[in-house]
Amino acid sequence: NAGVTQTPKFQVLKTGQSMTLQCAQDMNHNSMYWYRQDPGMGLRLIYYSASEGTTDKGEVPNGYNVSRLNKREFSLRLESAAPSQTSVYFCASSFVRGQGHQPQHFGDGTRLSIL
Amino acid sequence: QKEVEQNSGPLSVPEGAIASLNCTYSDRGSQSFFWYRQYSGKSPELIMSIYSNGDKEDGRFTAQLNKASQYVSLLIRDSQPSDSATYLCAVATGGSYIPTFGRGTSLIVHP
Repeated sequence: NAGVTQTPKFQVLKTGQSMTLQCAQDMNHNSMYWYRQDPGMGLRLIYYSASEGTTDKGEVPNGYNVSRLNKREFSLRLESAAPSQTSVYFCASSFVRGQGHQPQHFGDGTRLSIL
Repeated sequence: QKEVEQNSGPLSVPEGAIASLNCTYSDRGSQSFFWYRQYSGKSPELIMSIYSNGDKEDGRFTAQLNKASQYVSLLIRDSQPSDSATYLCAVATGGSYIPTFGRGTSLIVHP
């Protein structure tokens, strides 16, 4: 049981390049999330997908796009990378229904540097 | 604006002592509460979930929830150097898909 799998684990880009971060979960969770974590800033939500077929903006969506490909997969795309997007990116998933929240499970993260 | 507040620390305790980590939240409608541990350079991992008032124990860890006072705490008994990490508190409200995370408390357990 792999849980939440993120690829790649490390990436270095030049300003203006594009790339897609991949995330897949095998826990049959309905909700998936993308966060970035910077020193002293805690986890900040970029985008989330409450269920297959839906996506919504989080706290810091500018410069990013997402695709919920199916129930298992949720990708994050940087169309034109900027140095301010240098960060550690975490994908997470959970089961949320009605009033009930199960805890989030996190992937190992992607360490992204934009030069 | 939902807020979750944690003392950033560092909280320093000697090995074998009890470490007490606290978290307050602003949304009275919050129903689900989680503690995560994050080692430096690693991803957050779930330690405890708590949904009702009172204490919940799991090994050396005890989560305490007081909804009237809007705080949740995590006690770590017999602290070990391996417990040194940042502890994140997260709070979720029914009807919202987005939990709110605190910025975390850094715990240092020294031998």
